[in-house]
Amino acid sequence: AQRVTQPEKLLSVFKGAPVELKCNYSYSGSPELFWYVQYSRQRLQLLLRHISRESIKGFTADLNKGETSFHLKKPFAQEEDSAMYYCASNAGNMLTFGGGTRLMVKP
Amino acid sequence: DVKVTQSSRYLVKRTGEKVFLECVQDMDHENMFWYRQDPGLGLRLIYFSYDVKMKEKGDIPEGYSVSREKKERFSLILESASTNQTSMYLCASSLAGTRTGYTFGSGTRLTVV
Repeated sequence: AQRVTQPEKLLSVFKGAPVELKCNYSYSGSPELFWYVQYSRQRLQLLLRHISRESIKGFTADLNKGETSFHLKKPFAQEEDSAMYYCASNAGNMLTFGGGTRLMVKP
Repeated sequence: DVKVTQSSRYLVKRTGEKVFLECVQDMDHENMFWYRQDPGLGLRLIYFSYDVKMKEKGDIPEGYSVSREKKERFSLILESASTNQTSMYLCASSLAGTRTGYTFGSGTRLTVV
């Protein structure tokens, strides 16, 4: 079974600092990978997916098949980035989610 | 705007009660899912459905059942609620395949006392 690991439950940074949320997956094939975000009192929503190779709200994520990682990065964190972030992997017709990382951006 | 609607935002039920959580989507999505969200455990899949009247167990189906009589509606049933089922329940839907990702409802926070 596929597995998604987010090693940090909580990540705290100061505004303007770079941020990296780690995600590792276990799947020998070519999974589809996603990052979801949940802001306070809002529903979980898709942030970005690796097949789009896009940048959303300044965030990017690169799939590294050698390290089986899909880390989420932003060069300059903003206070409004404070949220819960989930990495997810698909190896079939459904997603498997990691345990989530709470990002706190301090002023 | 694409929508997944969960009928209740907050529910408080007594131990042993039968509980129904309702989810409706208006996007004509084939797939629907029920997850529970707990701190430190992330999202865990309870049940999912690829089509009307079709259901598959997820990772933690014990104590739950589901019903999908219509394409747009997917119900989660707690046959006899227990305190360890106190959680946030999230419904999601997607088109066949997951290249578009999931659309989530706003969640139902269930407390079993």
